[in-house]
Amino acid sequence: KNEVEQSPQNLTAQEGEFITINCSYSVGISALHWLQQHPGGGIVSLFMLSSGKKKHGRLIATINIQEKHSSLHITASHPRDSAVYICAVLPGTASKLTFGTGTRLQVTL
Amino acid sequence: NAGVTQTPKFQVLKTGQSMTLQCAQDMNHEYMSWYRQDPGMGLRLIHYSVGAGITDQGEVPNGYNVSRSTTEDFPLRLLSAAPSQTSVYFCASSQHAPGGSISYEQYFGPGTRLTVT
Repeated sequence: KNEVEQSPQNLTAQEGEFITINCSYSVGISALHWLQQHPGGGIVSLFMLSSGKKKHGRLIATINIQEKHSSLHITASHPRDSAVYICAVLPGTASKLTFGTGTRLQVTL
Repeated sequence: NAGVTQTPKFQVLKTGQSMTLQCAQDMNHEYMSWYRQDPGMGLRLIHYSVGAGITDQGEVPNGYNVSRSTTEDFPLRLLSAAPSQTSVYFCASSQHAPGGSISYEQYFGPGTRLTVT
């Protein structure tokens, strides 16, 4: 079993829908990252959080440390949000990130 | 700032050939790392460096070498390419190494798609 599990693996939504991507992990962590990988392959950092909630534009990331769970929400989704969203965690005693396998999102018109 | 740059973008090798994937960053980051990305798997750490002259192995280091002679550059060498090394390779950097309960924003290069036949 992977230390980091993402769900769903694939998601198709219509433009304007509210989207939620989930990340669950099995170990205590110091921090969690959300990354976005566009179809061209480039990876960009969206959020890094260790508690609570962060918002940037239409993106919101939340984390519940006790539940070992994080969610990435996209409000008013748009086709340009189509990408793979990757969750990564820094286990509490580790010095390297552990990555989930990603959630592939397609937003259609 | 160019950020993190990688060359080449695509490469095809024959089994047994060697090559170097280049990675450079202009953000004066201490920490640089190489990952490979394979279908159905998360990014896996190959090698990393916490500063010039210091490198260490990640979780899948076999068949790869690295060196860090300057802060800016972190090349990855494939010693004798094998079909199992067909993958997409990403270089990443961050201000400092993660650990001690502190993580840092990761900056990724555009990736190198390598095929070994």
